Amino acid sequence: AQSVTQPDIHITVSEGASLELRCNYSYGATPYLFWYVQSPGQGLQLLLKYFSGDTLVQGIKGFEAEFKRSQSSFNLRKPSVHWSDAAEYFCAVAAGGGADGLTFGKGTHLIIQP
Amino acid sequence: DARVTQTPRHKVTEMGQEVTMRCQPILGHNTVFWYRQTMMQGLELLAYFRNRAPLDDSGMPKDRFSAEMPDATLATLKIQPSEPRDSAVYFCASGLARGRTDTQYFGPGTRLTVL
Repeated sequence: AQSVTQPDIHITVSEGASLELRCNYSYGATPYLFWYVQSPGQGLQLLLKYFSGDTLVQGIKGFEAEFKRSQSSFNLRKPSVHWSDAAEYFCAVAAGGGADGLTFGKGTHLIIQP
Repeated sequence: DARVTQTPRHKVTEMGQEVTMRCQPILGHNTVFWYRQTMMQGLELLAYFRNRAPLDDSGMPKDRFSAEMPDATLATLKIQPSEPRDSAVYFCASGLARGRTDTQYFGPGTRLTVL
């Protein structure tokens, strides 16, 4: 069965600084990978996804993620964070390409310092 | 701007009562998922439907939970009887499955508190 690990429960970053959120997955075949963001009291919004092809994926709000098969990782990055980026970030993997349900990590809570 | 809608947004009930949560998927989507979010377990898949047929409900406690899709525009998740450990945020998501790939769009969730 697939699994996702997000090693960092909380991360604090200064506004304007760069950001990297870590995600490691466990899955025997080619994974389908996703990053979602959840603002307080809100649902989950898709930031980006990787199905195949270019391993560097661009998403919304200036985010990108890089798939590294050798490290079983799919880390999320942003060159310069804004106060509005404060939220909970979830990495997810799908065995069936997303058509059969997602397995989520426990999430990383991002705090932005002024 | 097409969105998944869920009602109610908040529900407080007493142990033993029946709870019904509703979801309206995005028009044209053929797959509906139910997830539960708790502090301890995080986000867990409970069940999902494709073209209104249940495909997997292995994540759902069978004795008290039931999920249905009476029609293409409505999915329901029912708990009977409810227990305090059911307190959580329940999310519905919908998608348009094309072969193996799908992108899931989430609703705002129903926050359930069972006293």
